[in-house]
Amino acid sequence: EVQLVESGGGLVQPGRSMKLSCAASGFTFNNYDMAWVCQAPKKGLEWVATISYDGSSTYYRDSVKGRFTISRDNAKSTLYLQMDSLRSEDTATYYCARLDYFDYWGQGVMVTVSS
Amino acid sequence: DIQMTQSPASLSASLGETVSIECLASEDIYNNLAWYQQKPGKSPQLLIYYASSLQDGVPSRFSGSGSGTQYSLKINSLESEDAATYFCLQDSEYPWTFGGGTKLELK
Repeated sequence: EVQLVESGGGLVQPGRSMKLSCAASGFTFNNYDMAWVCQAPKKGLEWVATISYDGSSTYYRDSVKGRFTISRDNAKSTLYLQMDSLRSEDTATYYCARLDYFDYWGQGVMVTVSS
Repeated sequence: DIQMTQSPASLSASLGETVSIECLASEDIYNNLAWYQQKPGKSPQLLIYYASSLQDGVPSRFSGSGSGTQYSLKINSLESEDAATYFCLQDSEYPWTFGGGTKLELK
């Protein structure tokens, strides 16, 4: 059974950093591109970042470029999102998802950026 | 960036009815469109990919169609479990963009 389990969320002050993790199981992690998607409270979905199966290519939405870093450790079947210089508008639930077509999603982890 | 305009924003329908949700892309996305269902407090679930391919395990009352810039999701014979918010996604070009969502309520 495919499982994606996020961790690392919580309350953080503006300007500080936070690192999210997504532990994958039930499939061959290093065969798949992966992504992060966020959803602000009561809002729609926003794609955040994508990483290729081998970590050689990454893509980001403009609003997080230079602040967020997506990475992966294929030996540990884990996806990461390092979030620096956090802003109040980054407050959201963050989901990791497997690509093809976001066919599996984690349960989501809440990140609240507030003083 | 490719804008995805989804309509309607909300929809109310009765059990057994058929409904359609539309997504209009600001440019040709070459069928690189997926549909997702999200229930309150839950993660989204993939329904349709590449515009019209039904994801494994999804009931056949869900179908997708369209091409170019215009796409639609059709749900036949509505069941109570179909009450949810539906989103489209284009992954033709970065940044990938979602539609604003359609909240489907059952009368």
